[in-house]
Amino acid sequence: DAKTTQPPSMDCAEGRAANLPCNHSTISGNEYVYWYRQIHSQGPQYIIHGLKNNETNEMASLIITEDRKSSTLILPHATLRDTAVYYCIVRVGRNYGGATNKLIFGTGTLLAVQP
Amino acid sequence: GAVVSQHPSRVICKSGTSVKIECRSLDFQATTMFWYRQFPKQSLMLMATSNEGSKATYEQGVEKDKFLINHASLTLSTLTVTSAHPEDSSFYICSATQGRAGRSDYEQYFGPGTRLTVT
Repeated sequence: DAKTTQPPSMDCAEGRAANLPCNHSTISGNEYVYWYRQIHSQGPQYIIHGLKNNETNEMASLIITEDRKSSTLILPHATLRDTAVYYCIVRVGRNYGGATNKLIFGTGTLLAVQP
Repeated sequence: GAVVSQHPSRVICKSGTSVKIECRSLDFQATTMFWYRQFPKQSLMLMATSNEGSKATYEQGVEKDKFLINHASLTLSTLTVTSAHPEDSSFYICSATQGRAGRSDYEQYFGPGTRLTVT
């Protein structure tokens, strides 16, 4: 079962920041927070991941609360091409073998960027 | 970045026939590959985990005799849907990781998916 809770859908105006929340209240100390997105009829695309510090890359920023029970993915300037389902997943970061590599997808958040 | 390809991108087959889907890591060696299935308007469901040179590990409820997985090399895994039926029609997605035991902070890269339609 997925260990995260996300709103089913969100809207965002083009050019504005999109803030996607995720709750992971049962996260373990060795689990990372990963974000992927899936544009319609394509394979998922990796966005970003983090353990406890905030992270930023060319695509997005990830803000993790101090207690690590929730996080927010921020797309700073959303475009129409960012319309997709965004998945928040918790997973152990260290590779102990095949079983721990698994990504278990929940239902995600459908982000609709409006012109 | 790491690239994973799938072939074919879409396939239509008749009920009762078998169909093979290939998943290749193009610029890295994939020690582990995963197969997912996605029905319309649903999330991805993990079917099996495949480590190079060993038997695949199937998730609960997935028939291993129906969905044959082979991971004979570090760059290729195949999924064969045997005796396909219309209910097997779905979007099949593979992913690959080059992570090895003991390595931290590794990534999983996804293929573009294969749309299977069984008539």
